[in-house]
Amino acid sequence: NAGVTQTPKFQVLKTGQSMTLQCAQDMNHEYMSWYRQDPGMGLRLIHYSVGAGITDQGEVPNGYNVSRSTTEDFPLRLLSAAPSQTSVYFCASSIRQGKETQYFGPGTRLLVL
Amino acid sequence: EDQVTQSPEALRLQEGESSSLNCSYTVSGLRGLFWYRQDPGKGPEFLFTLYSAGEEKEKERLKATLTKKESFLHITAPKPEDSATYLCAVQAPKAGRRALTFGSGTRLQVQP
Repeated sequence: NAGVTQTPKFQVLKTGQSMTLQCAQDMNHEYMSWYRQDPGMGLRLIHYSVGAGITDQGEVPNGYNVSRSTTEDFPLRLLSAAPSQTSVYFCASSIRQGKETQYFGPGTRLLVL
Repeated sequence: EDQVTQSPEALRLQEGESSSLNCSYTVSGLRGLFWYRQDPGKGPEFLFTLYSAGEEKEKERLKATLTKKESFLHITAPKPEDSATYLCAVQAPKAGRRALTFGSGTRLQVQP
């Protein structure tokens, strides 16, 4: 199993540009989520999904959209990038049932100029 | 509101010098407390899950313990390869979310 994979590893955007951060998992996990990590603030939840076709907002959802058309993929879209979205983004997944542990991908480092 | 505070922010140890990292939490209905290790430029790597006060788990030189208000990550005779940022997170039921509330981490440096 590859686990949780993310692409790209690094991206530079100009203010106002849009892009999609990709996340995929091959563990048949129903629950997937997106976090951002900023210095001194810990990881914060952006959006999450409890299964295909079901998504909801987390702690810091503004400026981001998600969709979940398959169990494997959970892309994060930035519609109009802002410098405040400069961060490192992590995707995580876990099985739905029981006291699940969340497994993280390697991250995407995003710089918005 | 769930809160997680980790201390110290940074810790420098000599190889073989044992110590402990602290994670204090405030949460309603703790479902689990998680410890992760994060190396520079990498995603968090799962270490332990603790579910109830009094529980302990060990892995190599690491031992995690849990009380009703805090968790400790004890590092016995650390080696340079233990250098990393250690993250603590709590999970509590919140409108169906399985989100983790993270602390800001402890950066550990072990010098040879």
